[in-house]
Amino acid sequence: QQQVKQSPQSLIVQKGGISIINCAYENTAFDYFPWYQQFPGKGPALLIAIRPDVSEKKEGRFTISFNKSAKQFSLHIMDSQPGDSATYFCAAAPRADRGSTLGRLYFGRGTQLTVWP
Amino acid sequence: DVKVTQSSRYLVKRTGEKVFLECVQDMDHENMFWYRQDPGLGLRLIYFSYDVKMKEKGDIPEGYSVSREKKERFSLILESASTNQTSMYLCASSLHPAGNTEAFFGQGTRLTVV
Repeated sequence: QQQVKQSPQSLIVQKGGISIINCAYENTAFDYFPWYQQFPGKGPALLIAIRPDVSEKKEGRFTISFNKSAKQFSLHIMDSQPGDSATYFCAAAPRADRGSTLGRLYFGRGTQLTVWP
Repeated sequence: DVKVTQSSRYLVKRTGEKVFLECVQDMDHENMFWYRQDPGLGLRLIYFSYDVKMKEKGDIPEGYSVSREKKERFSLILESASTNQTSMYLCASSLHPAGNTEAFFGQGTRLTVV
């Protein structure tokens, strides 16, 4: 069963536009929500992450919006650039304590973003 | 910089062979993970380890085993390779089991089983 559901599977955006990727989860034990970016031939790398005590986090052109009551979070890429073309994964992790699955991430299925010049 | 190194970028193996995928991290991380990545299915966890000689099954452990004899090294073993194990395999590590910290990935091993 998919713990984190991600949409869309693929996204094409014009240069300068806004890219939006959405994720949803059910497990209320999740309390860490990172986004990973993967370029072809490379492993994923952390882009930005949020915890549920805030509703938004911004780093440069990248923003995570978090809606705790709806159990949804999204990645917004402002002023999208061709260099942003990559696969994006959302993920979630439960509160980490000695009794839980320590530090494991549950990933969405990924969104392939293409930004046309 | 944290570095996670996977021993091979590309491997071609025959059906029935025993296959070893090696992963080494250089930052004294306690957690290590093996994922496989397939188009449309994202990253699926095979096994993970939070300490030397400790291992936990992930979501798709069937047909795989792991070994962690030293903290920095985590090996994935395909006991008898099959064509449905053709995939991209990614190793990752993270710092501490008691906190949700950044996972660092290797560049992946693309395994083809013929």
